[in-house]
Amino acid sequence: SQTIHQWPATLVQPVGSPLSLECTVEGTSNPNLYWYRQAAGRGLQLLFYSVGIGQISSEVPQNLSASRPQDRQFILSSKKLLLSDSGFYLCAWRHGGRHTFGSGTRLTVV
Amino acid sequence: QQQVKQSPQSLIVQKGGISIINCAYENTAFDYFPWYQQFPGKGPALLIAIRPDVSEKKEGRFTISFNKSAKQFSLHIMDSQPGDSATYFCAAHTGNQFYFGTGTSLTVIP
Repeated sequence: SQTIHQWPATLVQPVGSPLSLECTVEGTSNPNLYWYRQAAGRGLQLLFYSVGIGQISSEVPQNLSASRPQDRQFILSSKKLLLSDSGFYLCAWRHGGRHTFGSGTRLTVV
Repeated sequence: QQQVKQSPQSLIVQKGGISIINCAYENTAFDYFPWYQQFPGKGPALLIAIRPDVSEKKEGRFTISFNKSAKQFSLHIMDSQPGDSATYFCAAHTGNQFYFGTGTSLTVIP
């Protein structure tokens, strides 16, 4: 069966520090992968999606970047975090018309 | 522009009552309409989904009603239970993209 792993679960980082969040999928090949951010009490904001290795589509210009170095690995990065980068980050993969989400990373920038 | 509009933002229902959450869309290219349930600190989980060629889908206490001509769909939770207290998101899919509603916070009072 397919599973999606996302880590870390929680992260507290100072302003100006770098960020790296990792997401991996098991049990499928060439998945479409997505990064979303969810502000407290808000909906899901699509940040990036990828249909294959090295293929990244950015939906919102911001302080973040994404990379897909391997077929089942999707990484969200920042060189210098801002306070406004705080939120709940979710990785997801698409199968048909539905998503399976990871368990999320709670990022607090202080 | 919000592609999928969801209402209400919050909902309080007595145990045993019916919870109804509504969503509306404009893009006729959408081909799949999933609903997600999210508990605090967790990633959203697929609850139930429907294709636009079906007017209703029922799974246990959860029913989606779909009105293609009105471009509206709704989630009905019958016999609502305190364990149903969560945030619910409707979504619409086309191509590689998903569009989410802003979420409804449901509280079921014992």
